Amino acid sequence: TQLLEQSPQFLSIQEGENLTVYCNSSSVFSSLQWYRQEPGEGPVLLVTVVTGGEVKKLKRLTFQFGDARKDSSLHITAAQPGDTGLYLCAGAGRSSASKIIFGSGTRLSIRP
Amino acid sequence: DSGVTQTPKHLITATGQRVTLRCSPRSGDLSVYWYQQSLDQGLQFLIQYYNGEERAKGNILERFSAQQFPDLHSELNLSSLELGDSALYFCASSVATKGAGGDTEAFFGQGTRLTVV
Repeated sequence: TQLLEQSPQFLSIQEGENLTVYCNSSSVFSSLQWYRQEPGEGPVLLVTVVTGGEVKKLKRLTFQFGDARKDSSLHITAAQPGDTGLYLCAGAGRSSASKIIFGSGTRLSIRP
Repeated sequence: DSGVTQTPKHLITATGQRVTLRCSPRSGDLSVYWYQQSLDQGLQFLIQYYNGEERAKGNILERFSAQQFPDLHSELNLSSLELGDSALYFCASSVATKGAGGDTEAFFGQGTRLTVV
């Protein structure tokens, strides 16, 4: 069974601080996505990483895919209250027929 | 707007009843996924359909069933409802994008909030 574990589960930090969220698995994924979900809304895709070792930046967010394509990290620089939400990583296979497995999520709260 | 439409948005029903949740995927997407999200929890994968056929099953109860129709819309049927079935139910659709190795990205609907009383 493919599982994705995220850590930490909860994180509350002050505005302006940096943070890193981790997503780990014993399975290899063809790609890994990060989603952000706000209360009462569906998850919204932030980024997809495909190549082992790949790094993608989205403004203050930096995403990295592990060399072995089993893990990923999300680093936020100078966090802002607008970054508050549930961050989910998801692993997928190669085709549109493959299953998408979600991690349990990291609930992030940024205090002004 | 993700392009995935779920109806209804809210549903309140009594224990023991049966409900049907509907999902229209993005145009051209062949895969439809159903997830359950209880309060302050992550997404629990229920079931996936691909081009009308069941592709993968997660922790879906026997009281729950789903299908995908020829026009690719999908329905999730929940029967003999219990209080613990109260949750947000999300549908997502996906398409493999072109790129090195290919990758699959899911686009989510707004969800159906089911409350069982």
